[in-house]
Formats: sequence, structure tokens, C-alpha cells
Amino acid sequence: ETGVTQTPRHLVMGMTNKKSLKCEQHLGHNAMYWYKQSAKKPLELMFVYNFKEQTENNSVPSRFSPECPNSSHLFLHLHTLQPEDSALYLCASSQAQTLADEQFFGPGTRLTVL
Amino acid sequence: DQQVKQNSPSLSVQEGRISILNCDYTNSMFDYFLWYKKYPAEGPTFLISISSIKDKNEDGRFTVFLNKSAKHLSLHIVPSQPGDSAVYFCAARPVSGGYQKVTFGTGTKLQVIP
Repeated sequence: ETGVTQTPRHLVMGMTNKKSLKCEQHLGHNAMYWYKQSAKKPLELMFVYNFKEQTENNSVPSRFSPECPNSSHLFLHLHTLQPEDSALYLCASSQAQTLADEQFFGPGTRLTVL
Repeated sequence: DQQVKQNSPSLSVQEGRISILNCDYTNSMFDYFLWYKKYPAEGPTFLISISSIKDKNEDGRFTVFLNKSAKHLSLHIVPSQPGDSAVYFCAARPVSGGYQKVTFGTGTKLQVIP
């Protein structure tokens, strides 16, 4: 595997379900990100992790719970979601503390909440 | 309140001609700008960037121009090729005080007609 991978690619869940999204980066980066992209809206930054520590929470509801066990893996735990949470969830990684710091994105998980 | 605006949701250009994608921003704290390209079912990929100390950056067929006084940047693709057909996102970030907090526009879908 190369780059940034995300599983599953598609997920349908009910409002009472608990599920998790997984992201893995194979680039040796030390920063990881979760973004949400809703229809006709820009990508919205949700969380930032640097060296496994959460450094940014962009006012995300507590029904989204991130976890970063190491610099290569990032999870987004989902529980009691709402239909308006249906969106494309993108994971990204970068080499933090460099000026360029371009982010490399995974293909995303298309989430549908019924 | 969108801080990064791409007012043209779509653009069609003939193969071989120039494609010009525009982006406006409102936040004076932004001083590093990026363009990402996204194909269907894939995550965005970094294309080109520009720091606010420059007004132009060129990489092959892609050139980004920055007009700080107008808070406007544009991406020029010359010559356009059918493989350039994708959604292009403009993004901006402050270099200091949160350089990882990238703000994205809503994207412009470019179609290059053979």
C-alpha cells in the first residue's frame, strides 16, 4: 500500500449504530487530519493530530470521536449520528513543521446516515 | 462566511487552449495558497502553491498568480489537456498561528473538451 488509505470506502449506518472509520498513511508523516465534505460545501477541517497528540478540534460535535494510536493510523469513531452528518470524510497526512507542509489525502469514506 | 471563494462552479475549455481558474479570499491573515486537483472517487492531490512573498509560481503547464492587494489568485493551465478534467480546489492558510488550518474553497469543475 502506498500513500494514504481509508476504509471502508462506503458506509451506511443508522442513527443508533456505532461505527469507525480508519485511515493509514504510508508516507512517514507526523501529522494527520480529518476533513468533512458535504454536498456543495468546501472541505471542513475537523481534527488535527501532530505526533499523535490532538492539536486542533474545529468545534466538532462529540458524536465524532477521533483516535490516533500512532503517527501512521487515525480513526474516527462515530455514534448516534444524524442524517445531516452524511458526507464524504477525508483523511490527510503531512510532514508537520515544514513551510510547505502539503497535505496528502486519502480517497475518502462516503458516509450515509439513515 | 466563506473565507475562500471560487465563484465559478464549472468551466469548459477546448483542448490546447488556456484554462483560468479564479479564487478570492477575505482573510488578510492568509499568506500561503495552494491548489489541489480532485478526480472522482479519489482524494484531492496537491498541484501547486504560492507564498505571499511572490506574485507568480510556475510548474510546467501550471502557473499560479497572486494579487495580494485584490486578495485574488488564479491558476492558469496552458495548454489544457483532457486529463486535466477534474475539480480544482483553491486553499489558503496562515503561515503563523495555525499553519495547518487550511481553508478550502468549494471547487471549480474543469472540463477540457477534446
